[in-house]
Amino acid sequence: GAVVSQHPSWVICKSGTSVKIECRSLDFQATTMFWYRQFPKQSLMLMATSNEGSKATYEQGVEKDKFLINHASLTLSTLTVTSAHPEDSSFYICSARDGVRQGAMNTEAFFGQGTRLTVV
Amino acid sequence: AQKVTQAQTEISVVEKEDVTLDCVYETRDTTYYLFWYKQPPSGELVFLIRRNSFDEQNEISGRYSWNFQKSTSSFNFTITASQVVDSAVYFCALSEASRDRGSTLGRLYFGRGTQLTVWP
Repeated sequence: GAVVSQHPSWVICKSGTSVKIECRSLDFQATTMFWYRQFPKQSLMLMATSNEGSKATYEQGVEKDKFLINHASLTLSTLTVTSAHPEDSSFYICSARDGVRQGAMNTEAFFGQGTRLTVV
Repeated sequence: AQKVTQAQTEISVVEKEDVTLDCVYETRDTTYYLFWYKQPPSGELVFLIRRNSFDEQNEISGRYSWNFQKSTSSFNFTITASQVVDSAVYFCALSEASRDRGSTLGRLYFGRGTQLTVWP
């Protein structure tokens, strides 16, 4: 149980184009999803928190118009990097939490495999 | 404020040596979880352990062991008889689990990571 699938695992795009990354919970209802970014040789930093059916909450310094997050269903959240630039090249990883399940399990979020974005 | 400190940026050892990765954390919550993840060059986060704040028992899993000391806010990770395949970046992370955290439950605060290189 608690499997999160992230797609694509890597993507190369041209500067100025948009890229969509999907994060799916395969066997649970993800009431909350988190999007993290990791620059080379750096730690993972939270970009935004999304709760199903409501607008995402962005961390300070993260442009909401550039990183569009949609969490329209209990199993899918998408992150769209709009008008990507080389400085957006990074490793993006999502995690998902089942807020419906009772007990300790609903306090933990599970990670997808991550997406390596390269903007050329 | 929540903070995770991994003071060791890089560690190099020779195969079969034991190695300890340090982790010190700060939180105001009384209920929290501590994690260790392994990140190989491919990027995905490999879950190693989750420990809740009420369980200070040390844990051993094969060559891995963890020492949780609430008094010093530390959660150190030891690899015994290291192997080349252990080479990776290791992250310590904290998740605050108080129910009043609401929609941010499951959010992780990561340390900067420790790059472990095991030489043959």
